[in-house]
Amino acid sequence: AQTVTQSQPEMSVQEAETVTLSCTYDTSESDYYLFWYKQPPSRQMILVIRQEAYKQQNATENRFSVNFQKAAKSFSLKISDSQLGDAAMYFCAYRRVNRDDKIIFGKGTRLHILP
Amino acid sequence: DADVTQTPRNRITKTGKRIMLECSQTKGHDRMYWYRQDPGLGLRLIYYSFDVKDINKGEISDGYSVSRQAQAKFSLSLESAIPNQTALYFCATSSVSGRTYNEQFFGPGTRLTVL
Repeated sequence: AQTVTQSQPEMSVQEAETVTLSCTYDTSESDYYLFWYKQPPSRQMILVIRQEAYKQQNATENRFSVNFQKAAKSFSLKISDSQLGDAAMYFCAYRRVNRDDKIIFGKGTRLHILP
Repeated sequence: DADVTQTPRNRITKTGKRIMLECSQTKGHDRMYWYRQDPGLGLRLIYYSFDVKDINKGEISDGYSVSRQAQAKFSLSLESAIPNQTALYFCATSSVSGRTYNEQFFGPGTRLTVL
């Protein structure tokens, strides 16, 4: 069974600095999607970024980028120029590419932004 | 107006009561999901539906039932609520175009407390 592990329950970063959130996953599949979701205090789940496993290029979305290491089954999220609005719970998630499109979530990393 | 709505947003009930959480979407998506979020456990899938006639159990379906009344409506019921069902519940929707997986869009969540 697929699993997603986020080893950092909480992290803190100074405003304007860069922070990296870690995620590892376990799968025997070769084709899949990986995601980072953000959950601010409003509790809304917001998709931050996604990566398709067959693409070697790391996904980027403005200040958010990923380091996708397929062989190591690692998918870290880098947030550059951290802003107070980035404070949230971040969830790493995995989905196979097939009809059974269940998403498996990690347990989350709570990110604090220090002013 | 929100694309995915959930009612109620907050609910307190007593052990043994029947509770229904409702989800409606205006995105025209065929796939709908119910998740449960507990502190430190991330999101776990309860039930999912690919269309009105296709309903599937997720990771933690015991104690829950669902009804897909229409493409746009997917309800979650707790037949006899118990305290360990106290959690934040999310509805989500998605669509698929061939191989392309489109992201899951989440509702605002329902905070359920069972006393």
